[in-house]
Amino acid sequence: QVQLQESGPGLVKPSETLSLTCTVSGGSISNYYWSWIRQPPGEGLEWIGYIYYSGSTNYNPSLKSRVTISVDTSKNQFSLKLRSVTAADTAIYYCARDRCTSCFSGSFDPWGQGTLVTVSS
Amino acid sequence: QSALTQPASVSGSPGQSITISCTGTSSDVGTYNLVSWYQQHPGKAPKLMIYEVSKRPSGVSNRFSGSKSGNTASLTISGLQAEDEADYYCCSYAGSTIVWVFGGGTKLTVL
Repeated sequence: QVQLQESGPGLVKPSETLSLTCTVSGGSISNYYWSWIRQPPGEGLEWIGYIYYSGSTNYNPSLKSRVTISVDTSKNQFSLKLRSVTAADTAIYYCARDRCTSCFSGSFDPWGQGTLVTVSS
Repeated sequence: QSALTQPASVSGSPGQSITISCTGTSSDVGTYNLVSWYQQHPGKAPKLMIYEVSKRPSGVSNRFSGSKSGNTASLTISGLQAEDEADYYCCSYAGSTIVWVFGGGTKLTVL
């Protein structure tokens, strides 16, 4: 079955750019919507944004000015860039697929295992 | 945008049924039948339990059910088992601008 794996630095300095990649295995990245979701330690979930395999995107308005999500279909990967980070961006970052083929239903399944990114100097 | 409102905690004894509420507004839960529920055990990624208000993915126990009335969605777990102890989050579509919003989460304790 499809599996997702996040990768990237676990420590980012304030004001710098957080960069993460999600690698999709066991299936194609095509025909699905792919999201990034984060969870500050001990807190709830926040949807960051999604990308369709064709490259169309949509972002959470609260993060839109700082976020870029991109896709590389040749590598079966999609990526997140979050600029000008602060301590408030410290969180576990998850990548997830929408279960609906060629549509976005907000039914995130499956999820990656998550990666903790700490923003600190 | 505001998160959906969930009770911070609920509890029940093995074999009992519990219901977790998720209250939104007419801009999200009240308008769209795109409410999903996730179970999260400590240190693990969330797992989809219910989608589109009341549909269950294959492999999810039929002890889990979802419903909606007005601006409030609900997750009911019947025949509580020890392994149901976890955090539960609801999520709803909130229109093309805000898109997706989560609830604050509910900690379920099986007594």
